[in-house]
Amino acid sequence: QQQVKQSPQSLIVQKGGISIINCAYENTAFDYFPWYQQFPGKGPALLIAIRPDVSEKKEGRFTISFNKSAKQFSLHIMDSQPGDSATYFCAVGGRSYNTDKLIFGTGTRLQVFP
Amino acid sequence: EPEVTQTPSHQVTQMGQEVILRCVPISNHLYFYWYRQILGQKVEFLVSFYNNEISEKSEIFDDQFSVERPDGSNFTLKIRSTKLEDSAMYFCASSGPGMADTQYFGPGTRLTVL
Repeated sequence: QQQVKQSPQSLIVQKGGISIINCAYENTAFDYFPWYQQFPGKGPALLIAIRPDVSEKKEGRFTISFNKSAKQFSLHIMDSQPGDSATYFCAVGGRSYNTDKLIFGTGTRLQVFP
Repeated sequence: EPEVTQTPSHQVTQMGQEVILRCVPISNHLYFYWYRQILGQKVEFLVSFYNNEISEKSEIFDDQFSVERPDGSNFTLKIRSTKLEDSAMYFCASSGPGMADTQYFGPGTRLTVL
């Protein structure tokens, strides 16, 4: 069964701190690993994504670290801000697996306090 | 910036009734998807649609569900006879030519079945 395990379920961080969310997947055929940010009442919005040919990708305060051998990837939010308070979902996908669908993790609710 | 739009934002219906959820994908996209999210849970794939036919569907997408692209801009999800357990947020997503993995989500339709 395809599974994506995401942790922690919730995270509380002080403003300026580092938020780290982890995901693990099972099927090595996946080749696309996005992170989505979701605010209450809104749809998921693509935050950052990585492919397995690189081990790290950085966009502003957001960094994805990817460990292909461990089948794990993580999202790091540097200098966390109250505006980052949202639910974060990792996902896996990839056309090399003959599928367009994204399989989502269970989500992490991040709260950043001033 | 182009975005996926969905109507209505909230639909309330009686059990057993038919509902149609509407989506306008990003105009040059070729791949279309429906996902759902039961309150507080993860986002789940329902169906993907390409070249006027279903390319993949999940076990959730049974005979009560259907999708259609009636014209060049709209993409619809029909539930023929709604059940209480169909209550959820339904998200439409689309992705573009050559970037089939990067899916952009709409704001969602909250379906409440009474």
